[in-house]
Amino acid sequence: NAGVTQTPKFQVLKTGQSMTLQCAQDMNHEYMSWYRQDPGMGLRLIHYSVGAGITDQGEVPNGYNVSRSTTEDFPLRLLSAAPSQTSVYFCASSSPGQGLHEQYFGPGTRLTVT
Amino acid sequence: AQSVTQPDIHITVSEGASLELRCNYSYGATPYLFWYVQSPGQGLQLLLKYFSGDTLVQGIKGFEAEFKRSQSSFNLRKPSVHWSDAAEYFCAAIAGGTSYGKLTFGQGTILTVHP
Repeated sequence: NAGVTQTPKFQVLKTGQSMTLQCAQDMNHEYMSWYRQDPGMGLRLIHYSVGAGITDQGEVPNGYNVSRSTTEDFPLRLLSAAPSQTSVYFCASSSPGQGLHEQYFGPGTRLTVT
Repeated sequence: AQSVTQPDIHITVSEGASLELRCNYSYGATPYLFWYVQSPGQGLQLLLKYFSGDTLVQGIKGFEAEFKRSQSSFNLRKPSVHWSDAAEYFCAAIAGGTSYGKLTFGQGTILTVHP
């Protein structure tokens, strides 16, 4: 198992550009989530999904879109990047039947918006 | 609102000394509780978790945590710190029921270890 994979590892964008952060998992987990990490603020939930076709907003959803067409993939889209979106982004997956809510994290994507 | 608080932003200890990192939670009912560790530039690694039962939980790398319902706390401890334990530590929680996939994290505690 590769676990949770994220691409790219690093990305630099100019203000106003769009991009998609990719996340995939091969553990057949129902739940997938996106978090952003900023110094002194821990990780904050952006969007999450409880299954294919079902997504919902987390604590900081503005400026981000998600969709979940398959169990394996959960891409995060930045429609018009802003400097405030400079952060490290983590994708996670979990299943209530395995380890009871334990989330498995990807290695992260470090995004800089100039 | 549900929240997790780590009161200490930065802790410095000497190698071989004992360690306690504090975590308090505010939830209507007891949540599921976790401690994660993050080395610089790395992802998050789960140290231990608490769901129910025995209030003293053993984890990896010699860490343990004690759940205290009366204090709404879930403090992380290690009897003797090694230089390789220097990292950032996060306490996190999930409410039961329909909160799957929705971890709430504390602000993190950076641990520095002096030789």
